Amino acid sequence: EPEVTQTPSHQVTQMGQEVILRCVPISNHLYFYWYRQILGQKVEFLVSFYNNEISEKSEIFDDQFSVERPDGSNFTLKIRSTKLEDSAMYFCASAGLASYNEQFFGPGTRLTVL
Amino acid sequence: RKEVEQDPGPFNVPEGATVAFNCTYSNSASQSFFWYRQDCRKEPKLLMSVYSSGNEDGRFTAQLNRASQYISLLIRDSKLSDSATYLCVVNEGTARQLTFGSGTQLTVLP
Repeated sequence: EPEVTQTPSHQVTQMGQEVILRCVPISNHLYFYWYRQILGQKVEFLVSFYNNEISEKSEIFDDQFSVERPDGSNFTLKIRSTKLEDSAMYFCASAGLASYNEQFFGPGTRLTVL
Repeated sequence: RKEVEQDPGPFNVPEGATVAFNCTYSNSASQSFFWYRQDCRKEPKLLMSVYSSGNEDGRFTAQLNRASQYISLLIRDSKLSDSATYLCVVNEGTARQLTFGSGTQLTVLP
C-alpha cells in the first residue's frame, strides 16, 4: 500500500539554526500539507500546497517557514532560524485529486530545538 | 475561531464493550468530517469519513448531525487493539485544511 514517507525521523538542532524536513508524498497525489503537533497538544495545520504554490497557510506559518517541491517527488519544509517553541512533531500529508479531502499522513519528524 | 471540541476522556472499557465518542464543531460551513486514530507518538491515521446519512465500517459507526453540528463514533465489541486516541477532524470547506479536535483517549482493558 502506498504511503507518505518522511526523513529524518528525529532532528535535533540548536536554536537559531536552519532545518529542512523532507517528505515524499504518495506518488499520484497532488495536494500536500504540513501539520505540527507540540507534545500533548492538538495537531495544527501549517500550510497546504497545490500546483506548485501555497494555497493556504496558518498564522503559525510565518516568514521563518517555507515550503518547496524541488522535484517530482519531494516536498520540503524549511525553518530558517529555529526557536525553542518550534520543538514538535511535524507531519506531512498528501491527498489525491479524486478524494482531496482524505489526507494521508507520514510518520512524522520529531524536531527538538535546544 | 474554528473549533472542534471532543469528550475529554479518558475512556477505560473492558474488551467487548460498546463505547461512543462525541464531537461538536463550530464552523457551520464545514463540509467534510472524519475520524482519525492516533497511537502514542505516531501519525494520525484515517479511520473513516463521516457522511450525512451515517456510515458503518465493521464495528465502527459514524454519525453526522449538521443541524446540531455534532459528530459521533460508536465502536462495538471493542478489542485491545482499539486502544488509541480518537481524533475528530473537520475540513473547513474550500480551505481544505483539516482542523483537529484534541482527541479522546481510549484504553480497552483485558
